[in-house]
Amino acid sequence: AQSVSQHNHHVILSEAASLELGCNYSYGGTVNLFWYVQYPGQHLQLLLKYFSGDPLVKGIKGFEAEFIKSKFSFNLRKPSVQWSDTAEYFCAGFKAAGNKLTFGGGTRVLVKP
Amino acid sequence: EAGVVQSPRYKIIEKKQPVAFWCNPISGHNTLYWYRQNLGQGPELLIRYENEEAVDDSQLPKDRFSAERLKGVDSTLKIQPAELGDSAVYLCASSLDLLAGDTQYFGPGTRLTVL
Repeated sequence: AQSVSQHNHHVILSEAASLELGCNYSYGGTVNLFWYVQYPGQHLQLLLKYFSGDPLVKGIKGFEAEFIKSKFSFNLRKPSVQWSDTAEYFCAGFKAAGNKLTFGGGTRVLVKP
Repeated sequence: EAGVVQSPRYKIIEKKQPVAFWCNPISGHNTLYWYRQNLGQGPELLIRYENEEAVDDSQLPKDRFSAERLKGVDSTLKIQPAELGDSAVYLCASSLDLLAGDTQYFGPGTRLTVL
């Protein structure tokens, strides 16, 4: 069964700090990976996605993620966070043959002003 | 462009009562999804529709849950009777062709509380 796991449940950091959230997937073959964000009181929004090509993917709001096939990872990064990045972040993936999106458990990020 | 619309946004019911959630996907999106998100967890797929056909309902508890997508547009998810463990946020999402690289868009969800 395909699964996606996120390493941290909660992250607290100060403004201007760098952020890295871990994500690992458990299945081989062709994979498609996503990071979604859910700001307080809002619905899930896509930050970025990887389907093929350049393993370094740039998304909205200064976020990027790197697909490392050998490590089954797709970590999310932002070099300098802002208070407005306070949100819950979800990694998700699907295997092309399954066409079913599987989410990780999410990481709550709190950025202190 | 309007996003995925869901109603109601909140619902409180007593156990053993029925409840229904409604979803209107983005216009033109042939694929519609229903997810359940428990507190502190990521969304889990309940059912996926391609037009009006349910192509993946393996995670739908069929003894009490049912769904329909008449005419391949709007969809309704029903629980009858509801149990305490059904308290969660029910999310609807839609997309064009996920395999082709299109994005899955989510609605705001319906927060269900079963007392």
